[in-house]
Amino acid sequence: TQLLEQSPQFLSIQEGENLTVYCNSSSVFSSLQWYRQEPGEGPVLLVTVVTGGEVKKLKRLTFQFGDARKDSSLHITAAQPGDTGLYLCAPRSGGSYIPTFGRGTSLIVHP
Amino acid sequence: DVKVTQSSRYLVKRTGEKVFLECVQDMDHENMFWYRQDPGLGLRLIYFSYDVKMKEKGDIPEGYSVSREKKERFSLILESASTNQTSMYLCASRSSDRSSYNEQFFGPGTRLTVL
Repeated sequence: TQLLEQSPQFLSIQEGENLTVYCNSSSVFSSLQWYRQEPGEGPVLLVTVVTGGEVKKLKRLTFQFGDARKDSSLHITAAQPGDTGLYLCAPRSGGSYIPTFGRGTSLIVHP
Repeated sequence: DVKVTQSSRYLVKRTGEKVFLECVQDMDHENMFWYRQDPGLGLRLIYFSYDVKMKEKGDIPEGYSVSREKKERFSLILESASTNQTSMYLCASRSSDRSSYNEQFFGPGTRLTVL
């Protein structure tokens, strides 16, 4: 059984601060996606990482896939209130058809 | 603009009622999913469908059934609603094309309260 952990579960910070959230597992993944869910809406895809060690940037967001493809991190620089939301990681293992989501990190950025 | 729509944003039902949650996608996607989302538990897969009239149980199918008569529509049915089915219900669709890395497109959710 795949164990998937996201940490921290909650994060409350001031505008302008930096933060990192993590997605860890005991399994090796073929790819991993990060989604953001804003209050009252469904999740929206931010990025897909595929190669071990891969780093992708989306404006102030930096995503990294671990070398062994068992973990991933999301770093936000100079957080803004618009970054508020639930950040979900969704890894894919080999030929698995069924998507799996972590429990998410709930981020609140105060102005 | 791609779109997944859900029939209601908010729904209040009574215990024992039969409840239908409808989801429609306009992207000609083969795969469709129903999740429920509860605080601290994340998204849990109830049922999914990889094609018309095809369905597979997810992690928590008990108390639910689904129907997919047309490619664009996936319905979730609560045969006899109970208070422990109070939750946020999210529908999603995705292409079966592997080159897309299977991005899921979600609807806005239906917040169901069972009294």
